[in-house]
Amino acid sequence: QEQLVESGGGLVKPGGSLRLSCAASGFYFSDYYMSWIRQAPGKGLEWISYISSTSSTIAYADSVKGRFSISRDNAKKSLFLQMNSLRVEDTGVYYCARAQFESPHDSWGQGTLVTVSS
Amino acid sequence: DILMTQSPSTLSASVGDTVTITCRASQTINIWLAWYQQKPGKAPNLLIYHASNLKSGVPSRFSGSGSGTEFTLTIRGLQPDDFATYYCQQYNTYPPWTFGQGTKVEIK
Repeated sequence: QEQLVESGGGLVKPGGSLRLSCAASGFYFSDYYMSWIRQAPGKGLEWISYISSTSSTIAYADSVKGRFSISRDNAKKSLFLQMNSLRVEDTGVYYCARAQFESPHDSWGQGTLVTVSS
Repeated sequence: DILMTQSPSTLSASVGDTVTITCRASQTINIWLAWYQQKPGKAPNLLIYHASNLKSGVPSRFSGSGSGTEFTLTIRGLQPDDFATYYCQQYNTYPPWTFGQGTKVEIK
C-alpha cells in the first residue's frame, strides 16, 4: 500500500524559513512526478510545485517562485520543499502528492501545517 | 493557465438524494479531469479520473461524465459518509495543475 508522510511544518515568523519533507513507501518512487499542493485555512487546493521523476524538470506557481525550492532523493524515496522568505499568506496545510504522465494526483500524504505569524 | 469553475459552491441535500456538481474549464481539456473528495482535516481522496473512470474501491454511486470543457460529478443515493467537499482538477495542461474552488455537500 502506497504511503506518503509529510513532516517539517510548524510556526515560523514572516521572513523565516522551513524545510518540508515527504517520505514515500509502498511504491516505486522513481516512477512518479511529485508535487506539493497547499490549502490555506478554509480555502481550496493550490498546486505550488512539481518535480519530474529524474529531477530534470521543475516548476513553481507564481505565488512561490523565487522563494521555494523543490528537490527529491530517489535513493531515499524522499521529496523536499525548502521554503524561504515566508509570508503570512503561505500559512496552510502542505500536502505532497504523486502523479504520472496524463494522470491525476492519485495518492496524497496526510499534510503538514505551516503557520507563518509574528 | 486553465481556470476551473465549479458550481454550486454549496449544495444542501438529504440522505438518499441524487446530487450533481458541475465543473467547467476555461479551455478544452479533453477527458483529463479528476474529481476528489475531501473531509475536514483530511487529505483529498481521488474518486474519478479521465472524467468518468472510477478509482478502484470507490462506491458505484459516484459517477463522472463530460469531455472538452464541461463535466459533472453525480452521486446517486447520497450516504452520510458522502457529506464532504468535492474538487475537480484538470491535468490536460500542466504545470500548473488547476483545481476548481470546491463544492461543499452539506446535510439539509
